[in-house]
Amino acid sequence: NAGVTQTPKFQVLKTGQSMTLQCAQDMNHEYMSWYRQDPGMGLRLIHYSVGAGITDQGEVPNGYNVSRSTTEDFPLRLLSAAPSQTSVYFCASSYPQDRAHFGNGTRLTVT
Amino acid sequence: RKEVEQDPGPFNVPEGATVAFNCTYSNSASQSFFWYRQDCRKEPKLLMSVYSSGNEDGRFTAQLNRASQYISLLIRDSKLSDSATYLCAVNKGGGSTLGRLYFGRGTQLTVWP
Repeated sequence: NAGVTQTPKFQVLKTGQSMTLQCAQDMNHEYMSWYRQDPGMGLRLIHYSVGAGITDQGEVPNGYNVSRSTTEDFPLRLLSAAPSQTSVYFCASSYPQDRAHFGNGTRLTVT
Repeated sequence: RKEVEQDPGPFNVPEGATVAFNCTYSNSASQSFFWYRQDCRKEPKLLMSVYSSGNEDGRFTAQLNRASQYISLLIRDSKLSDSATYLCAVNKGGGSTLGRLYFGRGTQLTVWP
C-alpha cells in the first residue's frame, strides 16, 4: 500500500547543479502537484497536473520544470539550483475535488 | 488577496482546554474543504473533510459557513498529542483548476500539561 512515494528523502546540492525529484503514486489519481514548504510560508504550489500530458504553473514555478508522461509519475526538475530553493518539497496526488495524499517529503539544501 | 487566510497562532493551551481555529476563503465557488494536521518535519495528513452540514469525529468538530466563507475546527478536551500545525485547504473547483487545493499557512497548536 505505497500511496505517494517521493525520492530522495534528503539532498544537498551546490549552486548551479541540476537534479530531479521523483514522485510516483499507485492510486490512479488524475491530479498531482508539487509544493514547497518554508518556515512561516505554508505550502506553496509549484506546478500541478490534471492528467497525463497536462501540466500548469502554480504560485512559485520559476526555476522548476515538470512533465507528466504517465498517470503514475510526476517528476520535478530543478534546472540550476539556487540557495533560495532550499526547502522541503512535498508531492501530492488526488482525485478531483477529493483530499490530497502527500508523500513523505524531500529535504533539499542548496549551498 | 490570498485564496485562503488562516491565523498562524501560535495557540498555547492547557490539557483539557477547548480551542477553535478559523480559516477564511476568498472564492465563493469553492466546493471542497479540508483540515489537515502536520507534525514537525512530517507530511500533512488529512484530519477531516468539512461538509456543509458540519461534521464531528470524536473530539474534533468541523463547520462550514458558506455565507461568510469560512471553515472552523473545534478541538475539545485537548490532549498533549494534539500539538501540531493545523492547515485548512480549499478546492476552488471547476475548469482547469479542478483538483487544485489552496492551503492556509497553518495554525500552530501547543498543548501543555
